[in-house]
Amino acid sequence: GESVGLHLPTLSVQEGDNSIINCAYSNSASDYFIWYKQESGKGPQFIIDIRSNMDKRQGQRVTVLLNKTVKHLSLQIAATQPGDSAVYFCAENRGGGSNYKLTFGKGTLLTVNP
Amino acid sequence: EAGVVQSPRYKIIEKKQPVAFWCNPISGHNTLYWYLQNLGQGPELLIRYENEEAVDDSQLPKDRFSAERLKGVDSTLKIQPAELGDSAVYLCASSAGGNTEAFFGQGTRLTVV
Repeated sequence: GESVGLHLPTLSVQEGDNSIINCAYSNSASDYFIWYKQESGKGPQFIIDIRSNMDKRQGQRVTVLLNKTVKHLSLQIAATQPGDSAVYFCAENRGGGSNYKLTFGKGTLLTVNP
Repeated sequence: EAGVVQSPRYKIIEKKQPVAFWCNPISGHNTLYWYLQNLGQGPELLIRYENEEAVDDSQLPKDRFSAERLKGVDSTLKIQPAELGDSAVYLCASSAGGNTEAFFGQGTRLTVV
């Protein structure tokens, strides 16, 4: 069935390294994607989004890449810091357009070692 | 500016008892969501409101769950009666609508014993 999934459930990196978190989606009608960060005991926090008419978007230390051909999304974090340790979720607007239905994947736990 | 506010933060109840959660969205946000998050899983949509109208409640177990957003601002989610399997975090989120980011509250952690 259709799903938003993550290739790696856990990712451990050294402080200062770059991190890449991957996400696969299967609904070609999805036109909007968001990455969220969730720390323990808190709600998901918006990081960055991208619309399907783009293939790359950059924020502060983060970059999201969208490959619609293979239905793949990635989040790159530059110079990873201990404060980046959290669970990261990708989410897609599976409804497409105005029929907004934000669907989350299972998440990747990022651990940053000092 | 205040974010999405939820209460209570924690709730412990015995099975078969009723429970209610409250959410105050970000001012001006017409779209409000209730999500359920089980441990180690991503949030799952229960219901979405556009103003006071529930436009997507297909995932809401209507035999025991109900929600309302009477004036198109605050919302409550109720479970009656609660079951052991309802133990989870209940998240509220709001957005300006359409393809815009949803902002989440801290959630209510429900434990049913």
